[in-house]
Amino acid sequence: NAGVTQTPKFQVLKTGQSMTLQCAQDMNHEYMSWYRQDPGMGLRLIHYSVGAGITDQGEVPNGYNVSRSTTEDFPLRLLSAAPSQTSVYFCASSGTRPGYTFGSGTRLTVV
Amino acid sequence: SQELEQSPQSLIVQEGKNLTINCTSSKTLYGLYWYKQKYGEGLIFLMMLQKGGEEKSHEKITAKLDEKKQQSSLHITASQPSHAGIYLCGAEDYGQNFVFGPGTRLSVLP
Repeated sequence: NAGVTQTPKFQVLKTGQSMTLQCAQDMNHEYMSWYRQDPGMGLRLIHYSVGAGITDQGEVPNGYNVSRSTTEDFPLRLLSAAPSQTSVYFCASSGTRPGYTFGSGTRLTVV
Repeated sequence: SQELEQSPQSLIVQEGKNLTINCTSSKTLYGLYWYKQKYGEGLIFLMMLQKGGEEKSHEKITAKLDEKKQQSSLHITASQPSHAGIYLCGAEDYGQNFVFGPGTRLSVLP
């Protein structure tokens, strides 16, 4: 089924560890983005990409890196995990039709 | 930057009752999206409104964008347990970023 696939679904990290959250879409969407969702704060944009090779920062980019080497993949890297990065992360993509397609989320806990 | 507020923050209704969720923007809306999220799942696109006064329906859910294009309401008729979840409004701001409201948590009691 066409959609956005995020892995892993759950992850526990120790402070200072690094990891990559994977996001892949098979709809040939140009626009992809990463959000974090925290209680009472809604979704906040971390980074986004308007096409392969192009990325830009969103509202809360510190502590995260992204790259977009292909149209399909948009991984999010945590360089040195901190407890403040405990959150649920959503990847989303958008094409020419209105609306965004979201992945099912990655629940990250940093201890 | 554009900000979205939603009210109420949470809502508990008896099955069969009607309800309304509001989304207010700090700036003129050029595209207002409504999403639904169930716990542990991704967001599901419900509908998008662009024109002032526009109204769209999807099954028993109706959304309107007011004439001044700074507020939208989502109305559910004869609510069912399947309507339970978090409803978020979202909008594109001028920088091509997408902003979301904080969400409204809906519980429907059978």
